[in-house]
Amino acid sequence: IAGITQAPTSQILAAGRRMTLRCTQDMRHNAMYWYRQDLGLGLRLIHYSNTAGTTGKGEVPDGYSVSRANTDDFPLTLASAVPSQTSVYFCASSETGGAGGELFFGEGSRLTVL
Amino acid sequence: DQQVKQNSPSLSVQEGRISILNCDYTNSMFDYFLWYKKYPAEGPTFLISISSIKDKNEDGRFTVFLNKSAKHLSLHIVPSQPGDSAVYFCAASVDNNDMRFGAGTRLTVKP
Repeated sequence: IAGITQAPTSQILAAGRRMTLRCTQDMRHNAMYWYRQDLGLGLRLIHYSNTAGTTGKGEVPDGYSVSRANTDDFPLTLASAVPSQTSVYFCASSETGGAGGELFFGEGSRLTVL
Repeated sequence: DQQVKQNSPSLSVQEGRISILNCDYTNSMFDYFLWYKKYPAEGPTFLISISSIKDKNEDGRFTVFLNKSAKHLSLHIVPSQPGDSAVYFCAASVDNNDMRFGAGTRLTVKP
């Protein structure tokens, strides 16, 4: 089934540790995104990529980095995790980064930073 | 700043009745609006959208209404079914690189 695969599904992490959340899509979409979902705040965009080789900052980029070496993969890295990064992280993709169109989401990665 | 607001955290309706979910936005530059549905332990899935040139869009039991002057949109589900029980997120964008989401409304449809 075509879609977005995220790993890990869930992770508990000590503060200060480095963590990479993986995201792979098989829809050949140009644009990919990372969101975090927090209670009362909805989904907030962390970083995005309109096409392989390019990335951009979203609404809440601090403490996170991304790379887009190819069309299919868009990993999110926390260089030194802090408790405020405890959240559910969703990777998404769309055909383009332009106006209109829907986003397709993965099932999420629940991260707890202690 | 919360540019997209869903002021009702939860809504409960009886099966067969109409569900109305509301959403307000502050940024007049938004020109595309979407509703997503989310079940527990799953990612959000697209439900219905509307562009700013329209004021209504229907898809089966789901209708989205847009009132640009009031910066308000609503999602109507009629008739509501127990399987509609989920969290509904309103979203708005100028382009997909800056799609803003509301906090969500948890809909419960009682049999």
